[in-house]
Amino acid sequence: DTGVSQDPRHKITKRGQNVTFRCDPISEHNRLYWYRQTLGQGPEFLTYFQNEAQLEKSRLLSDRFSAERPKGSFSTLEIQRTEQGDSAMYLCASSGNQETQYFGPGTRLLVL
Amino acid sequence: GENVEQHPSTLSVQEGDSAVIKCTYSDSASNYFPWYKQELGKRPQLIIDIRSNVGEKKDQRIAVTLNKTAKHFSLHITETQPEDSAVYFCAAGGNEKLTFGTGTRLTIIP
Repeated sequence: DTGVSQDPRHKITKRGQNVTFRCDPISEHNRLYWYRQTLGQGPEFLTYFQNEAQLEKSRLLSDRFSAERPKGSFSTLEIQRTEQGDSAMYLCASSGNQETQYFGPGTRLLVL
Repeated sequence: GENVEQHPSTLSVQEGDSAVIKCTYSDSASNYFPWYKQELGKRPQLIIDIRSNVGEKKDQRIAVTLNKTAKHFSLHITETQPEDSAVYFCAAGGNEKLTFGTGTRLTIIP
């Protein structure tokens, strides 16, 4: 499968715990995006990388959230001290020279 | 920042009829307008996109139109089939990020 992959697909955690998600983009894509989607809503932009540089962060990305893309390939999104409001689907997307973004299957997070 | 509004939120059409979903955007700097289809529990999948230098684009039963002056764009699906039932999202933006609409749940009635 040469598409965007994400791991894990599902995560259940208790409030206050830290969680980390991984995204592997399409191999030749230099741009990588993180979005959050809640039930009945469209994806909301969180942050974006070009190669290893994090170029933009949404104000939705509180100081409990951190994202990295250390070698310009895969990316991780960490949420510290999770809250119930963090429950959502976390989607990763990647794009190459064109603007077209291809999404991964998402990681569904449930915070109890 | 960009704001995208999408209408209607739900749409039911008879199989074989056409469906139209409309979106407006606020930021004149947006130059790329994709449409995604999302089935329950699955990833958003790109179905068609249009760039600001083009007014209309068609791919088989799907077409998108863009009016830059009015800042609105529309998705047209003709000869609808049961497999077209899904949630459709419009988006506006460019290389940096996309701002999505709130989605339209399309139901095709056999």
